[in-house]
Amino acid sequence: GNSVTQMEGPVTLSEEAFLTINCTYTATGYPSLFWYVQYPGEGLQLLLKATKADDKGSNKGFEATYRKETTSFHLEKGSVQVSDSAVYFCALRGSGYNKLIFGAGTRLAVHP
Amino acid sequence: DAGITQSPRYKITETGRQVTLMCHQTWSHSYMFWYRQDLGHGLRLIYYSAAADITDKGEVPDGYVVSRSKTENFPLTLESATRSQTSVYFCASSEDGQTNSPLHFGNGTRLTVT
Repeated sequence: GNSVTQMEGPVTLSEEAFLTINCTYTATGYPSLFWYVQYPGEGLQLLLKATKADDKGSNKGFEATYRKETTSFHLEKGSVQVSDSAVYFCALRGSGYNKLIFGAGTRLAVHP
Repeated sequence: DAGITQSPRYKITETGRQVTLMCHQTWSHSYMFWYRQDLGHGLRLIYYSAAADITDKGEVPDGYVVSRSKTENFPLTLESATRSQTSVYFCASSEDGQTNSPLHFGNGTRLTVT
């Protein structure tokens, strides 16, 4: 079945450091891939998405490229800020499936 | 403001009581979903609905009931609450069932069953 695997957290970085959060997936067909962010006490917000192989999603300085050959969708940001501290979820929505399948989430803590 | 709203934000109830969590969206999205979020289990789908009067089970439907008489509302009822149903519940909607349609989430209801 479809599944998503994320790197375990927490990830702790200093402000202005480079961020990578790894995400790999297993899916049949041609899924779309998403990154969501959850700030404390809030719901999940869509951060970016990519709907086909080699697509790059980007938003607020975050980027992720849909790599079909490595079944990956790693999240990157060149220079993190304290305000980026949150939990990040990788997710896929696959062919024939109506639901969104989530990874376990990765907590990011950014210190000044 | 347009969006998806859940109520209440916090609820404490006793074991055995019935409780209903409300979800309302203003986008006229076809699809609506209920997830629960628990430490160690991530986000798990309880029920979803493709349209008014069409609902289907997700991964963890036992102990829950849903209805969708109107497109904009998707209430979740715990018929006889148990401590294992203590969780944060998220409602979500998407424009359709296409793979490229993202889900949009409410801010959640934190439910505690004592």
